[in-house]
Amino acid sequence: DAGVIQSPRHEVTEMGQEVTLRCKPISGHDYLFWYRQTMMRGLELLIYFNNNVPIDDSGMPEDRFSAKMPNASFSTLKIQPSEPRDSAVYFCASSFTEETQYFGPGTRLLVL
Amino acid sequence: GQQLNQSPQSMFIQEGEDVSMNCTSSSIFNTWLWYKQDPGEGPVLLIALYKAGELTSNGRLTAQFGITRKDSFLNISASIPSDVGIYFCAGYGGATNKLIFGTGTLLAVQP
Repeated sequence: DAGVIQSPRHEVTEMGQEVTLRCKPISGHDYLFWYRQTMMRGLELLIYFNNNVPIDDSGMPEDRFSAKMPNASFSTLKIQPSEPRDSAVYFCASSFTEETQYFGPGTRLLVL
Repeated sequence: GQQLNQSPQSMFIQEGEDVSMNCTSSSIFNTWLWYKQDPGEGPVLLIALYKAGELTSNGRLTAQFGITRKDSFLNISASIPSDVGIYFCAGYGGATNKLIFGTGTLLAVQP
């Protein structure tokens, strides 16, 4: 079975550029989560969706971050404009129920 | 962000040894999960626990949901080199409907 798919796996960009991260959840999972992982703060939940509807976006750092889920098999996390402090690993996870989450391989973002 | 207390922070052991690590919280949780993260990869779910006192095994791994619902334990028996990685606990439910992660335990296994 295919797990959670994320693209790109690596992204290097310059400050001020727009960055779009993509996620395909496991088929049949109703929940989709976006996390950010840094050495200092560990894994932080940014936003999550249930049946394509955003439920909690309180973890989104600021207005530069936005996320969409246009259908059950696709979600994007966009950063515009990007800043060096956004450099981190961004994970997408999906689940049948809210708690038992399966993670993708992550996107390693470096903003210069 | 909130993180659970996980100990030890790191372990350096010989192949074949058993490993124990634990996770504690000031809040109660309804679910405890254990993940393993390899370098450059995402966390992989190892074991999920849904009931206080529950003891669950997955191969050489055994995890327990603490009776107080504020802690959980993971044991790895007869460690092998591929057990190397960072192990994270995660708690769900209680005061917040979010998965809260531990600070991680780095495991190194010497062949």
